[in-house]
Amino acid sequence: EAGVAQSPRYKIIEKRQSVAFWCNPISGHATLYWYQQILGQGPKLLIQFQNNGVVDDSQLPKDRFSAERLKGVDSTLKIQPAKLEDSAVYLCASSEGETQYFGPGTRLLVL
Amino acid sequence: GENVEQHPSTLSVQEGDSAVIKCTYSDSASNYFPWYKQELGKRPQLIIDIRSNVGEKKDQRIAVTLNKTAKHFSLHITETQPEDSAVYFCAAIRNSGYALNFGKGTSLLVTP
Repeated sequence: EAGVAQSPRYKIIEKRQSVAFWCNPISGHATLYWYQQILGQGPKLLIQFQNNGVVDDSQLPKDRFSAERLKGVDSTLKIQPAKLEDSAVYLCASSEGETQYFGPGTRLLVL
Repeated sequence: GENVEQHPSTLSVQEGDSAVIKCTYSDSASNYFPWYKQELGKRPQLIIDIRSNVGEKKDQRIAVTLNKTAKHFSLHITETQPEDSAVYFCAAIRNSGYALNFGKGTSLLVTP
């Protein structure tokens, strides 16, 4: 069974530039999550989708972050413009029920 | 919202010893408690979970205990091996389909 796929795996950008991350969840999983994991901390939810609808985006910095999940499958997360404090690993996860399965993450470095 | 506290932040044990990581949660309505293992540069992977209607669950060398009254749960690893070295995260969730609330993680080092 294929797992959660993410790309790119690494990205280095300068502050004020924009960046986009892509996630392909496990086939059939209706729920998709984007987490931000800052070095030395646990993952923190940015946004949660149920099919193509947003369930929770209360912790998403909406002035610079946006996300979409067209057709209820793949999802993209965008940051525009990036700040130094956005340097982190961005993890995508999907679930059908309680268990969440994580992708390998995208490691973002903002210089 | 849910607040999950995890201790210790770092733990060093000798191979063959046991390791215990403890977590407390604030939301008494939380009913699902997974534990994830994250090796350096890799994705978090579920290693064991427990639901609120169960007090203890065991899977080979790994066990989790839950005390609903005290709102704490613990991960126990027996006969530790160097490959157990990783960061372990506890989490709590109220209902299926909600996002996980993670602790800050415990960095476990098992020395030969």
